[in-house]
Amino acid sequence: QVQLVESGGGVVQPGRSLRLSCTASGFAFSSYAMHWVRQAPGRGPEWVAVVSSDGRDKYYADSVRGRFTVSRDNSLNTLYLQMNSLRPEDTAVFYCARGFEITPDTFDVWGQGTLVTVSS
Amino acid sequence: EIVMTQSPVTLSVSPGERATLSCRASQNISGHLAWYHQKPGQAPRLLIYGASTRATGIPARFSGGGSGTEFTLTISSLQSEDFAFYYCQQYNDWITFGQGTRLEIK
Repeated sequence: QVQLVESGGGVVQPGRSLRLSCTASGFAFSSYAMHWVRQAPGRGPEWVAVVSSDGRDKYYADSVRGRFTVSRDNSLNTLYLQMNSLRPEDTAVFYCARGFEITPDTFDVWGQGTLVTVSS
Repeated sequence: EIVMTQSPVTLSVSPGERATLSCRASQNISGHLAWYHQKPGQAPRLLIYGASTRATGIPARFSGGGSGTEFTLTISSLQSEDFAFYYCQQYNDWITFGQGTRLEIK
């Protein structure tokens, strides 16, 4: 079935780096834009970044631009998020999500999420 | 940044009754609005896109309406599985979410 599985979360000190991965299965990964969306405890979701289906185009939320980098490897059906210079306010569950085919800036398939905690 | 404001913060409704949730955009977003629901410990699920089109597999008791800056999500006859958090999301200018409405059992 259609599935996204994130990994790579954990506890990290402020200023350090972390890389998240998201492995897709059950659909043609290379045909879809892919997003990262995060959700801090008790808050609504916050869009983080998107990468086009071919990996060429990337866009970021203001809150992470210059610190986070999104990428993908279509040969491995995997999406990545490299997070540098992490801050306590980056603490959240990070979800990868598929861009819906009809409206690519909405999200029709989500992973289960991976928790990132930034704390000293 | 377009700010999405949802109301009420919490809505208490009895099973079988109708619930209406509201979402307001800080500027005109045309019909570029989606709704999601989320149960504790789970990822959000897409309910509505284009302000009024149900996503695949979403029951007909869910309906969305509105355009411009004012939007509603109506659940016509609440089932037990509908009690959850609901979020609106605009995609007219970048992507932003509302802060959510908690729909709880009365």
